[in-house]
Amino acid sequence: AQSVTQLGSHVSVSEGALVLLRCNYSSSVPPYLFWYVQYPNQGLQLLLKYTSAATLVKGINGFEAEFKKSETSFHLTKPSAHMSDAAEYFCAVSSNQAGTALIFGKGTTLSVSS
Amino acid sequence: EAGVTQFPSHSVIEKGQTVTLRCDPISGHDNLYWYRRVMGKEIKFLLHFVKESKQDESGMPNNRFLAERTGGTYSTLKVQPAELEDSGVYFCASSQLAGVSNEQFFGPGTRLTVL
Repeated sequence: AQSVTQLGSHVSVSEGALVLLRCNYSSSVPPYLFWYVQYPNQGLQLLLKYTSAATLVKGINGFEAEFKKSETSFHLTKPSAHMSDAAEYFCAVSSNQAGTALIFGKGTTLSVSS
Repeated sequence: EAGVTQFPSHSVIEKGQTVTLRCDPISGHDNLYWYRRVMGKEIKFLLHFVKESKQDESGMPNNRFLAERTGGTYSTLKVQPAELEDSGVYFCASSQLAGVSNEQFFGPGTRLTVL
């Protein structure tokens, strides 16, 4: 069985501050891990993915995440927040093969203030 | 290349009525998935097609939901009769059959409101 826990349903940062969105997963098989973002009135867009290659994964818009097996974590970070980063972020896990369902966390809404 | 499209973007119906949602996947994507997000909850898997065949429908909530993918192209999800708890956003996603990463491309969703 697989599950995802996103710590904090809302995170608020100031523009220019570090963004840290937490994700812990549970999986009985080697996982694939994903971060998706949903901007207002839009669909889900893939930010980055971990597929058992490099543990530090770089994504779009300056985001990155590090897979830590010992901590079962896949936290999302960005060194400097922009106003345009305000959105809802979803962490997801699947088994390590194509064509399997994604299991999502509940999402974290990121607010960025000037 | 066109992305995943869904129709309609919004639907408001009364309890007991029928609604049909449509999803057009990215051309050439044999995997098609339906997911649903009920307000305040996580996005949950409903079912998965490989071409026209249902590969996994373990997430379908009950027999009021019927999904089809005739010809292995677009898919429809029918809710009949709709209940209040069916309200939420229904997402469709698609991926390549031989994709190495299970990366799924999502549509914008259909927001269903049952009154």
